[in-house]
Amino acid sequence: GQSLEQPSEVTAVEGAIVQINCTYQTSGFYGLSWYQQHDGGAPTFLSYNALDGLEETGRFSSFLSRSDSYGYLLLQELQMKDSASYFCAVRVPPADRGSTLGRLYFGRGTQLTVWP
Amino acid sequence: GAVVSQHPSWVICKSGTSVKIECRSLDFQATTMFWYRQFPKQSLMLMATSNEGSKATYEQGVEKDKFLINHASLTLSTLTVTSAHPEDSSFYICSARDLASGRINEQYFGPGTRLTVT
Repeated sequence: GQSLEQPSEVTAVEGAIVQINCTYQTSGFYGLSWYQQHDGGAPTFLSYNALDGLEETGRFSSFLSRSDSYGYLLLQELQMKDSASYFCAVRVPPADRGSTLGRLYFGRGTQLTVWP
Repeated sequence: GAVVSQHPSWVICKSGTSVKIECRSLDFQATTMFWYRQFPKQSLMLMATSNEGSKATYEQGVEKDKFLINHASLTLSTLTVTSAHPEDSSFYICSARDLASGRINEQYFGPGTRLTVT
């Protein structure tokens, strides 16, 4: 099975930097993704790390260490609109040969609140 | 980016009835779609992998006879909640990846369907 651990809540002020950590245990592993979800909305893709190291996309960066089964999402120059839930998700092999795509399992999410 | 739509966006039904939820990839073809359910303030739980032209693959603990999945075309998958009960009330979200776009690591989610069973 899969298990993912991430903090349930994080708060910060505008302009600050926040790091959301994620540790995982999986049987089979392709990579680690991060998704953002505003209340009542659909999750939207932020990043995907298949290899060790840091990936930077604008104000957001994501890091993966496969040997440590650990990753994090770094959000810089926080804005009020960044207040949302952030989910780490592991991509694992498909359940059977009927599908060619790996499955995505989500952590419980981290509620980020950005204060003015 | 690719767009995934769902219909209806919300539905209220009586206990014991069945409800069908549609998931469409609007501007790309999806041989595989994924169905999730999400309880308030909780994670997205993968229910099943929907494969075009073949049977869906269900996650452990998900009743295949209760959650019927049909993936009849490259752009449409349906989830039917049969004999719904109040505990089936949840937010159901479908998802797909646009392999032809080159952005193969992005999974696109529909806006979700809020099901309330009374």
